[in-house]
This record gives sequence, C-alpha cells and structure tokens, in this order.
Amino acid sequence: GAVVSQHPSRVICKSGTSVKIECRSLDFQATTMFWYRQFPKQSLMLMATSNEGSKATYEQGVEKDKFLINHASLTLSTLTVTSAHPEDSSFYICSASAPEETQYFGPGTRLLVL
Amino acid sequence: DAKTTQPPSMDCAEGRAANLPCNHSTISGNEYVYWYRQIHSQGPQYIIHGLKNNETNEMASLIITEDRKSSTLILPHATLRDTAVYYCIASSNTGTASKLTFGTGTRLQVTL
Repeated sequence: GAVVSQHPSRVICKSGTSVKIECRSLDFQATTMFWYRQFPKQSLMLMATSNEGSKATYEQGVEKDKFLINHASLTLSTLTVTSAHPEDSSFYICSASAPEETQYFGPGTRLLVL
Repeated sequence: DAKTTQPPSMDCAEGRAANLPCNHSTISGNEYVYWYRQIHSQGPQYIIHGLKNNETNEMASLIITEDRKSSTLILPHATLRDTAVYYCIASSNTGTASKLTFGTGTRLQVTL
C-alpha cells in the first residue's frame, strides 16, 4: 500500500505554545488529506478534511482558529495546534488519498501538553 | 455514510482463521465496505475493501452477503501480530476522497 509519514512522532510542549505536525504522502499525490484525533481508549474522530490548494473543511465542534491546517502541495499537509493546552493532549493521525482511491494513514503523532 | 455494527471483542487461537463480522444493514448502493485495523499506538492500516463481490488479498478475504447488509473479514491463519482493533466502515468512493467514520470496532485478541 501507499506510504504516509508524519513528523514528529512524539512531541511534548508547554501550555500556551504552538505545535506543528507534518503529514506527507511519500509515493503518491494526495489531493485530499484528513486529520483525526484519538483520545485514550476511544476511536478516531475526524477533525478536518483538506484538499490541496483550498481551505480545510472542519467537523462540527472543531475550532478552525485553534487547529490550523495547510495543504499547500500534493504531498504535504500540516496541522498546527495553536496555544496548546493540556486538554489538547492526544494522538493526532493524518490520512491521505488520491481521487477515488483508498485512504492510507500515517503512523500518528502523540502530543503531550504540560 | 451507513452505520456499521461490530462485536466489541473476539478471541482467536494462533494459526486458526479469525472471522470478524460486520452489520451494515442501511448501506447504500454506492458505498463500499472498508476494513482497517489499528495496532496499539499506531495509525490505522488498510486491509481490504469491496462493493459487491468477495475480495481477497495477501492479508485477508472479505465476504459480502448478496443483500450487502453484512460482511465478514477473514484472516486465514491468525498470528499474534494480528492482535488489533478492527474497524469496518461503509463509505462511498466517488469523486474526491470520502471521509471515513470510525466506530468502536472489534478488538481481536490472538492467543497461543
């Protein structure tokens, strides 16, 4: 299957700082990328959908000004958690897909906000 | 997307076939059945998907009933490394990529 990478794999930051997470499709061009969040012992929850070159579409209840998504190229999307707080600590996972193709997921980024 | 229902947990002995059921009684004609699995602390891994016909790949087989209201994922010879949460998802796949809605999945425990 196609390969999707995320960086960093783990990050610890202080409350009030911003954290950027990168998602890359390594061997295909991803016109659409998705960002999910997973809290312990829970399932994945979709946060937003981003199409290359356009603004992201956020799910209900997800603050677009807090979770900034940029999908500037067909192989890279970034999620920036602005002014992170302890309740933002979670496992953030991206997925990438070409049109009418299967979604492939990255390995996830574990964020801990102190 | 149609809602799917899966048992919360299953056990399987190593070397035996693991048969994971999924109900999707409200699936619409253009929705595929996707299966992903998530091993602890990793991103979901794509397994297989199908629309009407049964499908097989190097990882698993997918059996879809004729009325498409349910399906079964078969891991023919389960190993300890197959221990994971398995998600069955119904999603259309037309035009731009469609979002996947994850339920609670089935936690498969493969034992010696």
